[in-house]
Amino acid sequence: LAKTTQPISMDSYEGQEVNITCSHNNIATNDYITWYQQFPSQGPRFIIQGYKTKVTNEVASLFIPADRKSSTLSLPRVSLSDTAVYYCLVDRTSNTGKLIFGQGTTLQVKP
Amino acid sequence: DARVTQTPRHKVTEMGQEVTMRCQPILGHNTVFWYRQTMMQGLELLAYFRNRAPLDDSGMPKDRFSAEMPDATLATLKIQPSEPRDSAVYFCASGLGTSGRDRELFFGEGSRLTVL
Repeated sequence: LAKTTQPISMDSYEGQEVNITCSHNNIATNDYITWYQQFPSQGPRFIIQGYKTKVTNEVASLFIPADRKSSTLSLPRVSLSDTAVYYCLVDRTSNTGKLIFGQGTTLQVKP
Repeated sequence: DARVTQTPRHKVTEMGQEVTMRCQPILGHNTVFWYRQTMMQGLELLAYFRNRAPLDDSGMPKDRFSAEMPDATLATLKIQPSEPRDSAVYFCASGLGTSGRDRELFFGEGSRLTVL
């Protein structure tokens, strides 16, 4: 499975746009890039998934360059409630079905 | 509002005791995952099932942990005997599909285990 690397932590202020970049240099053709969010004392929650270019939903945008070796999760105008851990995962279309979480990025939004 | 239900939410036990955690996946979901989360190790995959069959439990200490799905509405994770190092939050997640595109896991609220 492709290994992912993302910053351990980030700080931001309310109202700012936050971009979290994830590196996945050995991503394979069949792999999809998925992001989860985890609030304290809760289980992770799916945010967004993409394969290439740009994906947007009501929560975030995901930018994936042509080589797919990295991806950037963009959170527009964050609020205090966006303080959480954000996980970047590479999900491979195969029979194994494993889904491995890395260390994630702890985002702290300040007033 | 469909959700994954885990019991118990909190469990305090003494070393050597048996602990059983239960999970009710979302109706219709065909995959179930068990994860363990600690500050030091983060989220670790312990085991997962597809259509009730165990696919991989390589992340689980075999000598004391066991995971089963007696039926499609119940998954169990058992620790016997428990040890202080097993103290963690145990998450169950369910989903549809095998992997890759459109796979979204839904997590329960977790079972916080403390072994004294």
